[in-house]
Amino acid sequence: GDSVTQMEGPVTLSEEAFLTINCTYTATGYPSLFWYVQYPGEGLQLLLKATKADDKGSNKGFEATYRKETTSFHLEKGSVQVSDSAVYFCALSVPTNDYKLSFGAGTTVTVRA
Amino acid sequence: EAGVVQSPRYKIIEKKQPVAFWCNPISGHNTLYWYLQNLGQGPELLIRYENEEAVDDSQLPKDRFSAERLKGVDSTLKIQPAELGDSAVYLCASSLGGRGLETQYFGPGTRLLVL
Repeated sequence: GDSVTQMEGPVTLSEEAFLTINCTYTATGYPSLFWYVQYPGEGLQLLLKATKADDKGSNKGFEATYRKETTSFHLEKGSVQVSDSAVYFCALSVPTNDYKLSFGAGTTVTVRA
Repeated sequence: EAGVVQSPRYKIIEKKQPVAFWCNPISGHNTLYWYLQNLGQGPELLIRYENEEAVDDSQLPKDRFSAERLKGVDSTLKIQPAELGDSAVYLCASSLGGRGLETQYFGPGTRLLVL
């Protein structure tokens, strides 16, 4: 079935370090890909998305590029801040599954000052 | 603009007891979702409503779970009777529509502990 596999955490970084969270997907058809973020005590919120191959989603300094050839959608940020500490979820949706969101297990990121 | 509101935020009950969760979506959002999130996992869809109609409840364990969305606005998710394995976070989300790439907005969730 349609699914995403993301890098296991937890990930601990120092401020201003480079962050990468790997996400690969398996899907029939042409999925849309998403990164959601969950800050402590808050609900999930959409961070960025990409709807077709080679699209790059970006927001708040984060970027992810939809790579069809490697079925990947890795999340990157060049210089993290303490406020980026959160749980990050990769997700996909496909029209053949009525656009139902399928989430990965989440990656916990902690940024130390 | 207010976000998705859920209550209670936390609930502790004994097994075999009933429990109910309430969700108020963002104003004007026709589509409402209930998700289950187990510890260390991503959310899994339980049910999706388009207005007051449940259009996808294939993942809802109907022997003990029920949901309603009267008048197509607020929604309630109920478990009766609760089991130990129901301990999880129950998330509500809403979107303008249920098709295509409408962004889903999530509430903070209700954390349930069944003893």
